[in-house]
Amino acid sequence: AAGVIQSPRHLIKEKRETATLKCYPIPRHDTVYWYQQGPGQDPQFLISFYEKMQSDKGSIPDRFSAQQFSDYHSELNMSSLELGDSALYFCASSFRVEGATGTQYFGPGTRLTVL
Amino acid sequence: AQSVSQHNHHVILSEAASLELGCNYSYGGTVNLFWYVQYPGQHLQLLLKYFSGDPLVKGIKGFEAEFIKSKFSFNLRKPSVQWSDTAEYFCAVKNTGRRALTFGSGTRLQVQP
Repeated sequence: AAGVIQSPRHLIKEKRETATLKCYPIPRHDTVYWYQQGPGQDPQFLISFYEKMQSDKGSIPDRFSAQQFSDYHSELNMSSLELGDSALYFCASSFRVEGATGTQYFGPGTRLTVL
Repeated sequence: AQSVSQHNHHVILSEAASLELGCNYSYGGTVNLFWYVQYPGQHLQLLLKYFSGDPLVKGIKGFEAEFIKSKFSFNLRKPSVQWSDTAEYFCAVKNTGRRALTFGSGTRLQVQP
């Protein structure tokens, strides 16, 4: 079965640089969620989109922005990167009915390292 | 704000031992509850979920969990663990009105052969 695809899988950036992470949801899924998992920490919700509109917002820094496109893929844009942004960034997707119950399917994550 | 507590941070068991991982949440309203597993180097996979009905839910790989509303708990159990169960286990909660999940801090399970 098709799963959530994230690219790139690994990314190394310098401080103050920008990064763009991409997420391709499972086909027919209309909702995308972004989570950040720091080293040894639990995943923290950043932001979500339903039908290309922001549906929920968590602890996303102002330096980050995200959007969902017409094909339902999503991009997380991160600017002025800081050392503390080094983390595993997960994308999850759901179809609206399952999404209302909280069932989300996670991608493999993008490991961002900021030097 | 709701929170999720997992009291066992690191559990070491021998194969065939029984497992119980604790999860408590702090939200008084209706919640949906989940357990996810993260194998080394892999992404989060859904083990089981509870929405309503029978408070004892069965998931994949022989795992089950019991929702006790009065205790705000959703503990994960497995009668006999295997070496392949070595992973990190996350409890997660979704409350009504939000789509996001709130995760606990995770429990690292190490099963020794």
